[in-house]
Amino acid sequence: DARVTQTPRHKVTEMGQEVTMRCQPILGHNTVFWYRQTMMQGLELLAYFRNRAPLDDSGMPKDRFSAEMPDATLATLKIQPSEPRDSAVYFCASGLVVTGGVNEQFFGPGTRLTVL
Amino acid sequence: AQTVTQSQPEMSVQEAETVTLSCTYDTSENNYYLFWYKQPPSRQMILVIRQEAYKQQNATENRFSVNFQKAAKSFSLKISDSQLGDTAMYFCAFPTGANSKLTFGKGITLSVRP
Repeated sequence: DARVTQTPRHKVTEMGQEVTMRCQPILGHNTVFWYRQTMMQGLELLAYFRNRAPLDDSGMPKDRFSAEMPDATLATLKIQPSEPRDSAVYFCASGLVVTGGVNEQFFGPGTRLTVL
Repeated sequence: AQTVTQSQPEMSVQEAETVTLSCTYDTSENNYYLFWYKQPPSRQMILVIRQEAYKQQNATENRFSVNFQKAAKSFSLKISDSQLGDTAMYFCAFPTGANSKLTFGKGITLSVRP
């Protein structure tokens, strides 16, 4: 049963610390998305990759957030330094995006981040 | 810009009854898909149902069905025979652009009462 995995599931850290979240997309999917969910803003797209190349990261605060795909099986989202306002649930999703296709996205279980 | 609007923040339904969740969207595209996702307390995002815009027939998945009105840009979700496990937040989503990034509505919190 293929699924998107994310680690860690929960992270509590102090302001100023570096946070790294990891995602393993479903094998064969060519697109990976990072979303953030908060009560106030709902679900926001932070960044996404196609065939490991970053396509759009306009949703991310550039000064502290960075997203990478070092290989096809791993996507990372890093926050340095972290701030209390970064507290949220971060979702990774993957999909096989083709022109004219269904282009459904499959979500991981999320990482709940709390920055004190 | 594409937008997705869910105007009802919360709804409640008695177990075994039927409930309809509303969603409207705006797009200039002609061929596209629409999705409803469910997010239970576990926070896992689960795809409930999808609709292809070029199909006139409304999609159905067991107790879940949609009422898709393309001209009105309306995409509502009907849940029949509501069950306690249907208690969740429901999001309407619309993939936009060539890269199909999802635009989500704000979500509707559905509570099923025993």
